[in-house]
Amino acid sequence: AQTVTQSQPEMSVQEAETVTLSCTYDTSESDYYLFWYKQPPSRQMILVIRQEAYKQQNATENRFSVNFQKAAKSFSLKISDSQLGDAAMYFCAYRSARGAQKLVFGQGTRLTINP
Amino acid sequence: NAGVTQTPKFRILKIGQSMTLQCTQDMNHNYMYWYRQDPGMGLKLIYYSVGAGITDKGEVPNGYNVSRSTTEDFPLRLELAAPSQTSVYFCASSYQSGNTEAFFGQGTRLTVV
Repeated sequence: AQTVTQSQPEMSVQEAETVTLSCTYDTSESDYYLFWYKQPPSRQMILVIRQEAYKQQNATENRFSVNFQKAAKSFSLKISDSQLGDAAMYFCAYRSARGAQKLVFGQGTRLTINP
Repeated sequence: NAGVTQTPKFRILKIGQSMTLQCTQDMNHNYMYWYRQDPGMGLKLIYYSVGAGITDKGEVPNGYNVSRSTTEDFPLRLELAAPSQTSVYFCASSYQSGNTEAFFGQGTRLTVV
């Protein structure tokens, strides 16, 4: 079974600075997808960014980018120019390309933005 | 577009009571999922469905049941509620393609006392 580990329960960053959230995963599959979801206090799960394992190029969405290291099974999220609205829980998630394609989540990292 | 709609948003149950959490989606997604999120933790899969009439257990199915009679609806039934079922419950749906976004409902906060 696949597992996802987020080793940083909490992180904090100054507004306008850059922060990196870590994620590692374990799988024997070669074809899969990785996601970062944001959960603000409203509880809504919001997709931040996704990465296909077959793509070598790291995904980027505006101020959000990932560092995908397939051999190391690492998938970190970098947030540049942090804004107060980025404060939330961030979840890393793995999704198999086969079968029911269930999402497997890490434990989450609570990000605080200091003004 | 309503997306994924869950009801109720909040509920307090007494030990031993039963209830059904409703979930409906209007995006014609084949895949639907129920997750629970305990305080400070990630989401754990309870049950999932790959289409109408097909359901299967996830990581933490004990104490729950589901049905999928239509593509749109995927209710979660709690029988004999226990304090260990106090959690936030999320329903999600997606297309049958792994790189597509899974859409989540707003969650149901359930407290069993």
